[in-house]
Amino acid sequence: AQTVTQSQPEMSVQEAETVTLSCTYDTSESDYYLFWYKQPPSRQMILVIRQEAYKQQNATENRFSVNFQKAAKSFSLKISDSQLGDAAMYFCAYGLGSSGDKLTFGTGTRLAVRP
Amino acid sequence: DAGVIQSPRHEVTEMGQEVTLRCKPISGHDYLFWYRQTMMRGLELLIYFNNNVPIDDSGMPEDRFSAKMPNASFSTLKIQPSEPRDSAVYFCASNKGGTHNEQFFGPGTRLTVL
Repeated sequence: AQTVTQSQPEMSVQEAETVTLSCTYDTSESDYYLFWYKQPPSRQMILVIRQEAYKQQNATENRFSVNFQKAAKSFSLKISDSQLGDAAMYFCAYGLGSSGDKLTFGTGTRLAVRP
Repeated sequence: DAGVIQSPRHEVTEMGQEVTLRCKPISGHDYLFWYRQTMMRGLELLIYFNNNVPIDDSGMPEDRFSAKMPNASFSTLKIQPSEPRDSAVYFCASNKGGTHNEQFFGPGTRLTVL
């Protein structure tokens, strides 16, 4: 069974600084997708960034980027120029295949942003 | 598009009562997922449907939980009878097959069972 591990329950970053959230996963598959979701206090789950396992290039979305290390089964999220609105729970998730399928979530990392 | 719609947003009920949570997926999405979020267990997949057919219900905790999807635009998750340990936030999400597996989540229903 696939598992997703987020070893940092809480993180803190100064506004305008950079922070990296860690995620590791376990799978025997070669074709899969990885995601970072953000859950602010409103509890709405918002997709931050997506990475296809077959792509070697790391995904980027504005201030958000990932460091995808397939051999190490690592998928970290870097937030640059942190803003107060980035404060939220961040969940790493794994999904198998290109068609609709269930996602396996990590336990989340709560990010605080200090003004 | 209005996104995934869930109702009610909040539900408070007493132990033993029946609870029905509702979900309307994004139009055109052929996969629908029900998740439960608690502090202790995080986000758990309860069940998911493809083209209104249940595909995997292995996450449904026990027979008190049931889910249906009578048509492509509506699904329900029912708990009967409810227990205090069912208190959680229940999310519905939908996805269009073949589109990189991104799931779109509803706002969730916060259920409190007294």
